[in-house]
Amino acid sequence: QITLKESGPTLVKPTQTLTLTCTFSGFSLSTRGEGVGWIRQPPGKALECLAIIYWDDDKRYSPSLKSRLAITKDTSRNQVVLTMTNMDPVDTATYYCAHRRRGSSSPFPYYFDFWGQGILVTVSS
Amino acid sequence: SYELTQSPSVSVSPGQTARITCSGDALPKKYAYWYQQKSGQAPVLVIYEDSKRPSGIPERFSGSRSGTMATLTISGAQVEDEGDYYCYSTDSSGNNYVFGIGTKVTVL
Repeated sequence: QITLKESGPTLVKPTQTLTLTCTFSGFSLSTRGEGVGWIRQPPGKALECLAIIYWDDDKRYSPSLKSRLAITKDTSRNQVVLTMTNMDPVDTATYYCAHRRRGSSSPFPYYFDFWGQGILVTVSS
Repeated sequence: SYELTQSPSVSVSPGQTARITCSGDALPKKYAYWYQQKSGQAPVLVIYEDSKRPSGIPERFSGSRSGTMATLTISGAQVEDEGDYYCYSTDSSGNNYVFGIGTKVTVL
């Protein structure tokens, strides 16, 4: 059974750097084909994919936020870490991590199947 | 940037059929995925690769794709199906995955 859980600060000040950790179980990021992503959702708004990391350390970022994001993995601890610099009140959102699964039908695209419960991060002075 | 368009809301009576649509230029060649999000909860995958249901998802949920439109159908909608539904897919390059803006489904 795949489970994921987000952890980190729930309140950060403007201009600070946010560091979130996703701790997961039920799969290993050292296994070919596995991936983990971060998605956020501002209150009352839609989902936005931020970053994804794969078993081979391939990383993908949202084009609009790429300069502020970094995603890394620690396979020994079953963790994925997201950092976002220069936080602003508009970055207030619930941040989710999710397991990235490779599809079963050609061309075998990836998608998110299991999600963590999310962590609400508020940016305020 | 690539966009997926969804209608803002759908309202049905219990037992009726709810249809939620998602349109995107790349959908003729790219799979669509659907997520259900109930109030205060994390999203749950209800349809993947256009029409497949994950284990545990009721049979009343079905999906299809034709041309530039994907459709999620809830046949015999129940009160517990209320929530926001998001489609998810990629642009023609396959490198830019996006979510739609979401459709609020009300069953009353």
